[in-house]
Amino acid sequence: QVQLVESGGGVVQPGRSLRLSCAASGFIFSRYTMHWVRQAPGKGLEWVAVTSYDGRKKYYADSVKGRFTISRDNYKNTLYLQMNSLRPEDAAVYYCARDDTDIGNDYWGQGTLVTVSS
Amino acid sequence: SYELTQPPSVSVPPGQTASITCSGDNLGNKYVCWYQQKPGQSPVLVMYQGSKRPSGIPERFSGSNSGNAATLTISGTQAMDEADYYCQAWDTITAVFGGGTTLTVL
Repeated sequence: QVQLVESGGGVVQPGRSLRLSCAASGFIFSRYTMHWVRQAPGKGLEWVAVTSYDGRKKYYADSVKGRFTISRDNYKNTLYLQMNSLRPEDAAVYYCARDDTDIGNDYWGQGTLVTVSS
Repeated sequence: SYELTQPPSVSVPPGQTASITCSGDNLGNKYVCWYQQKPGQSPVLVMYQGSKRPSGIPERFSGSNSGNAATLTISGTQAMDEADYYCQAWDTITAVFGGGTTLTVL
């Protein structure tokens, strides 16, 4: 069965960096576009970034452009989100989600919590 | 930037029909997805391409999309349908979520 397991969240000071990982299993990872979506406490969903199946195309929300980098390792079946220059408003649960073409985000991980605080 | 607007809350008696709207400029020409999220859980895809149900989603969920609005309809609403619902669409190369609608079944 499809599984997405995020890790790497934690408490970090403003201005510091953090790298999130999403381990995928149960499907051919290298064939799918993958997303990061976040949700601040008590707030709605916010799309963060997307990478094409081969990692060659990457797009970002304006709120994270220039600070966050999405990447993937198709040999390790893992998706990453490198987050630099973190701000208090980046605090959220970060989800990775699979994108089935023209269908949407059909599988989501359980999320990993990022807290940005001094 | 592209925006999707949803009502913050919708209430419906059990067994009745709930309709949740999502509005956006020329939304009818975009693929729209709907996600259900219950407290403490990850989102679940309940509708894609505006009106198609993924496998495992009950038939009481239906959708439409035309003009500047998409609608998620839940017929015979049950207590288990109480959740937050989010619409999503693509604006060229970036995805956008609506602000979410809390569905209360009472």
